[in-house]
Amino acid sequence: DTEVTQTPKHLVMGMTNKKSLKCEQHMGHRAMYWYKQKAKKPPELMFVYSYEKLSINESVPSRFSPECPNSSLLNLHLHALQPEDSALYLCASSQPAGGLFRANEQFFGPGTRLTVL
Amino acid sequence: SQQGEEDPQALSIQEGENATMNCSYKTSINNLQWYRQNSGRGLVHLILIRSNEREKHSGRLRVTLDTSKKSSSLLITASRAADTASYFCATDKIQGAQKLVFGQGTRLTINP
Repeated sequence: DTEVTQTPKHLVMGMTNKKSLKCEQHMGHRAMYWYKQKAKKPPELMFVYSYEKLSINESVPSRFSPECPNSSLLNLHLHALQPEDSALYLCASSQPAGGLFRANEQFFGPGTRLTVL
Repeated sequence: SQQGEEDPQALSIQEGENATMNCSYKTSINNLQWYRQNSGRGLVHLILIRSNEREKHSGRLRVTLDTSKKSSSLLITASRAADTASYFCATDKIQGAQKLVFGQGTRLTINP
């Protein structure tokens, strides 16, 4: 199985709502990522989990709260979002890179299209 | 910023022609990758080239890397309508958990 799945595909929420995005992979990858992508822009890294521990937080506002319950699952909890948070949220996974020249391709899910009203 | 710049921003060619996209970056890298994204979907990995490599091939794809100029190019030969997508280069320089920084992307349209 070389697939990363994300649910839901689409999400519309108000600024006072609490919702969660979910991501799952069964490739045995030990690094998982959340990206945010605005229209016609490149993906921007938000968070990286390595071996189920948060290793990178790109100064993301606290209204986004990541969680990695186990090596296959990654969640992004959303609370009190702003309309400018509307975007495509992408999850990815890979083997953790190690060593000077070792890097691994990232496998991306199809994304969750989030609209904040 | 390490973020790359891609050139051109948009490219439209006829089916069967070759498409060349360029990527420049600002700081030293370990590896450079190319990804494809169909409209509104997830990214698909195409090819990875390490900083000690100069050229790499995969099917109809050819990637070059010039670390002295901090630039890379992606060539797609004999283009097909299904190649219509956005193409992003991505660089990494941090060991351990992999942090990718994506270029602005090239929107490629193949006209039948």
